[in-house]
Amino acid sequence: AQTVTQSQPEMSVQEAETVTLSCTYDTSESNYYLFWYKQPPSRQMILVIRQEAYKQQNATENRFSVNFQKAAKSFSLKISDSQLGDTAMYFCAFMKPYGGATNKLIFGTGTLLAVQP
Amino acid sequence: EAGVTQFPSHSVIEKGQTVTLRCDPISGHDNLYWYRRVMGKEIKFLLHFVKESKQDESGMPNNRFLAERTGGTYSTLKVQPAELEDSGVYFCASSQELSTDTQYFGPGTRLTVL
Repeated sequence: AQTVTQSQPEMSVQEAETVTLSCTYDTSESNYYLFWYKQPPSRQMILVIRQEAYKQQNATENRFSVNFQKAAKSFSLKISDSQLGDTAMYFCAFMKPYGGATNKLIFGTGTLLAVQP
Repeated sequence: EAGVTQFPSHSVIEKGQTVTLRCDPISGHDNLYWYRRVMGKEIKFLLHFVKESKQDESGMPNNRFLAERTGGTYSTLKVQPAELEDSGVYFCASSQELSTDTQYFGPGTRLTVL
């Protein structure tokens, strides 16, 4: 069974600095998808970034980028130029594409990121 | 385009009572998922609908939980009778395609069982 581990329950960063959130996962699959979702306080959970395992290039979305190390089963999220609006709970998630089974998301326990002014 | 909506946002009930949660997916999304996050733990999958059919309900905790999606539009999740351990945040998500599309989440329903 697949598992996702986020070893940092809480992190803090100063505004405008860079922070990296860690995520490791365990799977025997070769093709899968990885996601980072964020949930701001009292707000909806939204997708930050996604990565297809068959793509070697790391995904990037504006100030958000990932460091995907397939062999190490590591999928960290880097936030550059942190902003106050980045304060949120960040969840790492794994998905095996549909192939006779549901494409459910498997989540880590989350990292609470606080951006300090 | 309206996002995924959930009702109510909060519900406080006593042990033994019944509660029904509702989810309205994004229009046109055939896939609807229910997840739950118990305090401090990971978000866990409960079940998946494709249109009105249950594709996977392997995450449903027990037979006190009943999910329906009549007509393939909105979905309800009923807990009867509620127990203390059912407390948590229940999320609904929807997606268009099956294997590759992003799942869009609703704001969640926070359920407290006293």
